Amino acid sequence: DTAVSQTPKYLVTQMGNDKSIKCEQNLGHDTMYWYKQDSKKFLKIMFSYNNKELIINETVPNRFSPKSPDKAHLNLHINSLELGDSAVYFCASSQTTREDEKLFFGSGTQLSVL
Amino acid sequence: GENVGLHLPTLSVQEGDNSIINCAYSNSASDYFIWYKQESGKGPQFIIDIRSNMDKRQGQRVTVLLNKTVKHLSLQIAATQPGDSAVYFCAENIGTSYGKLTFGQGTILTVHP
Repeated sequence: DTAVSQTPKYLVTQMGNDKSIKCEQNLGHDTMYWYKQDSKKFLKIMFSYNNKELIINETVPNRFSPKSPDKAHLNLHINSLELGDSAVYFCASSQTTREDEKLFFGSGTQLSVL
Repeated sequence: GENVGLHLPTLSVQEGDNSIINCAYSNSASDYFIWYKQESGKGPQFIIDIRSNMDKRQGQRVTVLLNKTVKHLSLQIAATQPGDSAVYFCAENIGTSYGKLTFGQGTILTVHP
């Protein structure tokens, strides 16, 4: 009964390739996010979607394109992968009310670009 | 281990001791604060949160203290257990967008049996 699930867990690929990471949440939340964690464990938001609408886009290269087919899914497509894209990518979700803002994170996708 | 070479702040305690993890935040406009625990190979896991209109909040074995005067947040863990060993992150939201959390650098907590 995983609340926020993302696949794959590990992704190893060559520079220049295009890859996608999928995320699904079964919590009934209306907002989903992508966060990136670098090798120093620093976590930074990339995108957020609320009911399929892009809300936050944090100066991420346009090689990264999130897609939300419905409010339970938020996928991340990355074109022309670069070495610097190697990181752990976390999907998260929340219900956006003032009473409850906490994010629930998936278990991460470790992307290694060779 | 996975955390070797990370150069994050570290805290080592004995099982049963109380732990205090500190965090300084930068934005005086932040109105929401949250602590996460991240175990090796897993995603951040919610521990406790607090709004800026409070200065203390308690959960099960955990307490968060907020000092807005000096922009300081702390997480206290009572009777620390080996299972508490993890990286702990504080995060703040300045209120411009829901879920736009700005994370601190993390603190490695190691609990020795």
